[in-house]
Amino acid sequence: GQNIDQPTEMTATEGAIVQINCTYQTSGFNGLFWYQQHAGEAPTFLSYNVLDGLEEKGRFSSFLSRSKGYSYLLLKELQMKDSASYLCAALTTDSWGKFQFGAGTQVVVTP
Amino acid sequence: DAMVIQNPRYQVTQFGKPVTLSCSQTLNHNVMYWYQQKSSQAPKLLFHYYDKDFNNEADTPDNFQSRRPNTSFCFLDIRSPGLGDAAMYLCATSRPYSAEQYFGPGTRLTVT
Repeated sequence: GQNIDQPTEMTATEGAIVQINCTYQTSGFNGLFWYQQHAGEAPTFLSYNVLDGLEEKGRFSSFLSRSKGYSYLLLKELQMKDSASYLCAALTTDSWGKFQFGAGTQVVVTP
Repeated sequence: DAMVIQNPRYQVTQFGKPVTLSCSQTLNHNVMYWYQQKSSQAPKLLFHYYDKDFNNEADTPDNFQSRRPNTSFCFLDIRSPGLGDAAMYLCATSRPYSAEQYFGPGTRLTVT
């Protein structure tokens, strides 16, 4: 079956670092995405990994291990505006490219 | 700016009264998707199109239909909305087998 698992909620203080883990099991795999979603808004693209290793983009980094079916998103120097849900999504080889989304991790940044 | 547009942003309908949500895109992407997202849940894929080729997810209720008259537009019809259909409906586009999906702002549907 297909499954994406990530924690439901994480809390951290402003300026800190938070790591959101995601494990996936999909029929075919074409890459792992992270999206940020503020309440009541559409998801916005953060990062994409298709090869093993770390991708760094400013304060955000994402890591992938294909052999372990594992990814994480690292948020550094947390800001209040980073309070949002972070969705892990695997791009499968089904059809023309379908996403399997996780339920999202709600990150709460406190002062 | 090229984008994905959804109208309306907020829709209120009565139980059982048909409703249509619309999505348009200026990205000229071949693939369009409709997702349903309930609070604190993952977006759930309802339908997707490659041009006019249509793919209906196996667990999408018959109450939901979709139309794509041309590359730019896609519609989601809910024939008889129930209270359980209240959700955010997200439209997204991509190039085939592409890395990224571009999401519209979503339509928040309330069923009274």
